[in-house]
Amino acid sequence: EIVLTQSPGTLSLSPGERATLSCRASQSVSSYLAWYQQKPGQAPRLLIYGASSRATGIPDRFSGSGSGTDFTLTISRLEPEDFAVYYCHQYGSSPPTFGQGTKVEIK
Amino acid sequence: QLQLQESGPGLVKPSETLSLTCTVSGGSISSGSYYWAWIRQPPGKGLEWIGSIYYSGSTYYNPSLKSRVTISLDTSKTQFSLKLNSVTAADTAVYYCARAQGYSGYGPLRPWGQGTLVTVSS
Repeated sequence: EIVLTQSPGTLSLSPGERATLSCRASQSVSSYLAWYQQKPGQAPRLLIYGASSRATGIPDRFSGSGSGTDFTLTISRLEPEDFAVYYCHQYGSSPPTFGQGTKVEIK
Repeated sequence: QLQLQESGPGLVKPSETLSLTCTVSGGSISSGSYYWAWIRQPPGKGLEWIGSIYYSGSTYYNPSLKSRVTISLDTSKTQFSLKLNSVTAADTAVYYCARAQGYSGYGPLRPWGQGTLVTVSS
């Protein structure tokens, strides 16, 4: 089973700042990596798939990069609605697995 | 706009079977290139993929749960269902249904249902 390790666990930032979230896989998943945003009491929402493709309707301040074992989700300028928990998900190998999440909180 | 909605009992006794249904509206459940998936999230914890089903009936199950899980599809009702037997307190979670992209059975998930909390307790 591929383990996804997200860092940091919590990111404390102010609106307007840049957020950089990391997801590291225990073995290569090629570009089969997705990112989700989850707000309290809500289901996750797909942001990025294929490591760098934005899902329909996702603002362009969200971008993904990486391949193999190291991936990054960048939020260029944080908006108030971006404070949430973010999960990565690998679908390159069975079983699919998720990272433990990074919480982006208001500083 | 495709929407998914979970339904089923919110409380299940230990050793019994958890049964949930996901109703799909605004689109066809028989569309190729998508699987229909179940994912769960214990309170305050991360996400776990349970399994998924293609419109043809082909299934993918997480090996960690495979011995206890059955996912089925009713295309006439645009519903798919989850059965998890021999439940314990460790199966207490919010259960989500979602559409999975691609042909592997476990691709990117969009959209999701709102989720339903199932508590295992006597």
